[in-house]
Amino acid sequence: AQKITQTQPGMFVQEKEAVTLDCTYDTSDQSYGLFWYKQPSSGEMIFLIYQGSYDEQNATEGRYSLNFQKARKSANLVISASQLGDSAMYFCAMREKDNAGNMLTFGGGTRLMVKP
Amino acid sequence: GAVVSQHPSRVICKSGTSVKIECRSLDFQATTMFWYRQFPKQSLMLMATSNEGSKATYEQGVEKDKFLINHASLTLSTLTVTSAHPEDSSFYICSARAPNSHGYTFGSGTRLTVV
Repeated sequence: AQKITQTQPGMFVQEKEAVTLDCTYDTSDQSYGLFWYKQPSSGEMIFLIYQGSYDEQNATEGRYSLNFQKARKSANLVISASQLGDSAMYFCAMREKDNAGNMLTFGGGTRLMVKP
Repeated sequence: GAVVSQHPSRVICKSGTSVKIECRSLDFQATTMFWYRQFPKQSLMLMATSNEGSKATYEQGVEKDKFLINHASLTLSTLTVTSAHPEDSSFYICSARAPNSHGYTFGSGTRLTVV
């Protein structure tokens, strides 16, 4: 079974509007971490935001916020006030057991295209 | 912030030759480095986990004799694609846990084309 599922292969958003990118995950661990990364066409992976499974508050980083719904096992990324430079691939990822030695497992990604 | 430097960024090689990709942690020590492969329009797939001073752990289906990983120091991990074939053409990217952070820092990636 897929551990990380991103159901939106592609999304369009109008510049200056907000957009939500979906992510659901599957784990039996109680302690885990959820991440969002941005990958522009250059290929680099840019860390956006982190949410720990025990964090009670939704994570926020500037224009990025994570809508964490633990019971539903979802960790959607919300980008507010979209900019043209936000056009990129976005990957949701999970680290199980939230252990420093554990690798990230990535979802299939969502391509976001911001329209002027 | 923590930086991982990856070289080369692009490489074209002939079928049957070997290619070495280097990842260096510039301002921190990385006891563990993760190597991913990404085919066009697909996600990142973990190939192996390299640990300083010990053998790498390979994911199922990844040939350890073809993808040689060496992590000889706390700041350098290398991936060598041996006897490369066109089907090995892909984007290879390394990653390490950033110190004092939950996040992982990634190298800039290597686009390998085997002709």
